Amino acid sequence: GAVVSQHPSWVICKSGTSVKIECRSLDFQATTMFWYRQFPKQSLMLMATSNEGSKATYEQGVEKDKFLINHASLTLSTLTVTSAHPEDSSFYICSARGDKDTQYFGPGTRLTVL
Amino acid sequence: GENVEQHPSTLSVQEGDSAVIKCTYSDSASNYFPWYKQELGKRPQLIIDIRSNVGEKKDQRIAVTLNKTAKHFSLHITETQPEDSAVYFCAATSSGTYKYIFGTGTRLKVLA
Repeated sequence: GAVVSQHPSWVICKSGTSVKIECRSLDFQATTMFWYRQFPKQSLMLMATSNEGSKATYEQGVEKDKFLINHASLTLSTLTVTSAHPEDSSFYICSARGDKDTQYFGPGTRLTVL
Repeated sequence: GENVEQHPSTLSVQEGDSAVIKCTYSDSASNYFPWYKQELGKRPQLIIDIRSNVGEKKDQRIAVTLNKTAKHFSLHITETQPEDSAVYFCAATSSGTYKYIFGTGTRLKVLA
């Protein structure tokens, strides 16, 4: 139980284009999902908290107009990186909150912006 | 602000030896402390967790201890095996939210 999927697993795009990443909880409903970014050999940095049916809460320093988050259902949250630039290249990981406080992580999406 | 410090950043042990990773948190209201294992390019996997009303928890070769007074918690792995090699992250909940504050990670290498 508590499986989270993420799609795509990797994506390469040109600078200036937008990329959408999907995060799904497959066998449970998640009112809260989280989006993280992880650079090589570094820890997970929380970008935003996504709540079903309401606006996402962004961490300090994260541009909400650049990283658009939509949590339209209890099993799906999406992150759209708009006007991507090479510095946005990173490993993006989502998590879904299950029972109580435990977060279950997706497999991650490796974004490369050329 | 809220902070979680993790030590050491790297740890090498011989197969069969024990490994200990320590974390310190700053928010006295944190009440949930999970530990995740992450292999290269993979998702973090929950390996054990502890809540603030418990001082110790064990699951086979893995144990976690919590000292609320000192705001310390530690991961103990006994009888280490090569497949234990990975990066381990501790985390603490942020007061009043479900957010995690992650430690900086420990790269564990188990030498055969």
